[in-house]
Amino acid sequence: EVQLVESGGALIQPGGSLRLSCAASGFTFPNYGMSWLRQPPGKGPEWVSTIKDGGDTTYYTDSVKGRFTVSRDNSKSTLYLQMSSLRAEDTAIYYCAKDLSVHSNDRIFDFWGQGTLVTVSS
Amino acid sequence: ETALTQSPATLSLSPGERATLSCRASQSVDIYLAWYQQKPGQAPRLLIYDASNRATGIPARFSGSGSGTDFTLTISSLEPEDFAVYYCQQRKNWPPLTFGGGTKVEIK
Repeated sequence: EVQLVESGGALIQPGGSLRLSCAASGFTFPNYGMSWLRQPPGKGPEWVSTIKDGGDTTYYTDSVKGRFTVSRDNSKSTLYLQMSSLRAEDTAIYYCAKDLSVHSNDRIFDFWGQGTLVTVSS
Repeated sequence: ETALTQSPATLSLSPGERATLSCRASQSVDIYLAWYQQKPGQAPRLLIYDASNRATGIPARFSGSGSGTDFTLTISSLEPEDFAVYYCQQRKNWPPLTFGGGTKVEIK
């Protein structure tokens, strides 16, 4: 059974930093592209970042470029999102999600974690 | 950036009725459009990908159609568990990947 379990969300002051983790199981993690998405309270999902299966290529939405860094440890089946210079508008539930097909980097999200809440407020 | 506009914002229907949801893209996304269902307190769930392919385990009452800029999600006969919010997402023109604003299907 595929499982994605996010952790690391917290209440953090503007300008602060946080690292989110996503522990994966039930599938061959190194073979799949992975992404972070977020959902502000009461709003729809928003794509944040994607990392290819090999970990060599990453993509970001403009609003987080230079502030967020996605990485993965394929030996630990874990995805990370390092967030810095956090702003109030980064407040959201953060989800990790896996691609549908192996080695495809298809950006079709067939499994999502349960999410972790990041609140940026003073 | 490719904007996705979903309509209507809210659809009020009774169980057993047919639901037709629309997603319009600001530029062509070919067939690279997916639909997700989200219930309160849950993560989105993939229903349809590449316009018309049902994801694993999705009932046949869900179907998708369209290409280019106009897409439709149809629920042929609403079950009680289908009342939720539905989002479309494109993967053709990226980054960024984009989502629509959602359609809430509520019980009439």
